[in-house]
Amino acid sequence: ETGVTQTPRHLVMGMTNKKSLKCEQHLGHNAMYWYKQSAKKPLELMFVYNFKEQTENNSVPSRFSPECPNSSHLFLHLHTLQPEDSALYLCASSLGGAASYEQYFGPGTRLTVT
Amino acid sequence: GESVGLHLPTLSVQEGDNSIINCAYSNSASDYFIWYKQESGKGPQFIIDIRSNMDKRQGQRVTVLLNKTVKHLSLQIAATQPGDSAVYFCAENNDGSEKLVFGKGMKLTVNP
Repeated sequence: ETGVTQTPRHLVMGMTNKKSLKCEQHLGHNAMYWYKQSAKKPLELMFVYNFKEQTENNSVPSRFSPECPNSSHLFLHLHTLQPEDSALYLCASSLGGAASYEQYFGPGTRLTVT
Repeated sequence: GESVGLHLPTLSVQEGDNSIINCAYSNSASDYFIWYKQESGKGPQFIIDIRSNMDKRQGQRVTVLLNKTVKHLSLQIAATQPGDSAVYFCAENNDGSEKLVFGKGMKLTVNP
């Protein structure tokens, strides 16, 4: 266990549904991340939060909406997704800053959009 | 675009052999590099990291080598075991922020 949990582990949703992915870290970290992992592609950074403030939005479509209520929790709200959004969504956390770049990953949510 | 990439998409080795996984990077300003292992159904797990002021770093059965002259990074796994079968990613930090830039990943298969 890495100290980062994600729920649900699997999600199937229609294109008109609204759902949310949840991530929680128990490591006392200050930075949290959302990544998208598709087959045969590098990990794609989506969002970065540092001390609850969003510091990076990597040109992500507005149908993905992140929320970080505190340093331990991160959500990804999904609405009107497309089939090409089907992927593994990974959450990660790190101490933040140059002291340590190591990111700890959760197990991911396997999302299928039908 | 992607600044970190892997030379080989797949590697198959015999149990007990040593494995070498290579990675090229393009940004000479990168000062931190990290290797992750991802097993099926799991998120990436940290293996080892290295800063640009070092050429070599050793862990348990793993060694990372950094050649800044040719912008090349390698991960050596000694006495490879079936449990080492996974996809391996290299990543770099090149701007001092929290962000890591990941390569595509390479699948290592260890045959018993």
